[in-house]
Amino acid sequence: AQTVTQSQPEMSVQEAETVTLSCTYDTSESDYYLFWYKQPPSRQMILVIRQEAYKQQNATENRFSVNFQKAAKSFSLKISDSQLGDAAMYFCAYAPYGGATNKLIFGTGTLLAVQP
Amino acid sequence: GAVVSQHPSWVICKSGTSVKIECRSLDFQATTMFWYRQFPKQSLMLMATSNEGSKATYEQGVEKDKFLINHASLTLSTLTVTSAHPEDSSFYICSARTLAGASNEQFFGPGTRLTVL
Repeated sequence: AQTVTQSQPEMSVQEAETVTLSCTYDTSESDYYLFWYKQPPSRQMILVIRQEAYKQQNATENRFSVNFQKAAKSFSLKISDSQLGDAAMYFCAYAPYGGATNKLIFGTGTLLAVQP
Repeated sequence: GAVVSQHPSWVICKSGTSVKIECRSLDFQATTMFWYRQFPKQSLMLMATSNEGSKATYEQGVEKDKFLINHASLTLSTLTVTSAHPEDSSFYICSARTLAGASNEQFFGPGTRLTVL
């Protein structure tokens, strides 16, 4: 069975600094998707970034980028120039390739605090 | 695009009553909807997967007679908590996806906070 592990329950970063959130996963599949979701205090889940496993290039969305290491089954999120609005719970998630009913498998989350 | 709404956003009910939560995809047809439960400072726990026009598939340990799920149309799924008890108090989140979408992305509703007195 696939699993997702986030080993950092809480992280803190100074405003304008860079922080990296860790995520590892376990799967025997070769094709899959990986996601980082943000859940702010409003509790609305927001997709931050998505990575297709078949793509070697790391995904980037503005200040957010990932370091995808397929062989190591690692998928870390780097937030550059951190802003107060980045404070939230961040969840790493895995999804198998194909099929509308395929489930998202979430990690336990990392609570990010941004210090002014 | 890809907006999912939930109603109500919060509800307080007495023990023993039933509560219905609606999940709607506003600008797309959702072939599949998912229902999650989340306790404070914890991850999302998948309760069930529902496909339009068919019975929901429940995760192990989730009481299907207690959490009734109906996905009657491509834009609406409902979760009914029957005979609610204080231990059912939680944050319930739905998500939806469509076959037309890519990457197995799920679009999440804003959640419903249920408090059972």
